[in-house]
Amino acid sequence: GENVEQHPSTLSVQEGDSAVIKCTYSDSASNYFPWYKQELGKRPQLIIDIRSNVGEKKDQRIAVTLNKTAKHFSLHITETQPEDSAVYFCAALGGNEKLTFGTGTRLTIIP
Amino acid sequence: SAVISQKPSRDICQRGTSLTIQCQVDSQVTMMFWYRQQPGQSLTLIATANQGSEATYESGFVIDKFPISRPNLTFSTLTVSNMSPEDSSIYLCSVEGGADTQYFGPGTRLTVL
Repeated sequence: GENVEQHPSTLSVQEGDSAVIKCTYSDSASNYFPWYKQELGKRPQLIIDIRSNVGEKKDQRIAVTLNKTAKHFSLHITETQPEDSAVYFCAALGGNEKLTFGTGTRLTIIP
Repeated sequence: SAVISQKPSRDICQRGTSLTIQCQVDSQVTMMFWYRQQPGQSLTLIATANQGSEATYESGFVIDKFPISRPNLTFSTLTVSNMSPEDSSIYLCSVEGGADTQYFGPGTRLTVL
């Protein structure tokens, strides 16, 4: 089955700086890669996703890149704000049509 | 996206008892899923709730422990049976939102004493 690794587990950045979270996957049949943001005590929220036929996707301050050859994808947040503080999860939809999640990154924005 | 609700939002239960969690969606959806999120951990798929047939369980999860019902396209239940403290977790349902997307319910925080 699919295996998704996520790094770093914790990340602290100064407000206004950029944050990058990286994930790798194992199943070459995976073709859909969502990112979720989970604030404390809340449900995971889908913030951006990318499909295997696209290399990069951007939505305002967040962007995701995908390297299918290397089987890795990354989340980029620019001009970080305090409300970006949360746990972020990457995921991959494998050939079995099921989402496998990474272990999560706790992002802290320092004012 | 669909509006998803779960009941109860939280519960504290005694060891050996069972709890049934409900998931309601405001529109018909083909795929519904149940996940477990242990404290400080990631999300692990328990099973896919299939309408009109038995749920499909992931490795490590069995029907006797986590029976699931899916009576129609807007509702599903997950029962956590014969609970032990190790079952203390957040249980989340999710629904397919089209084009492979999944949206999560608010979760049920379960504490087993």
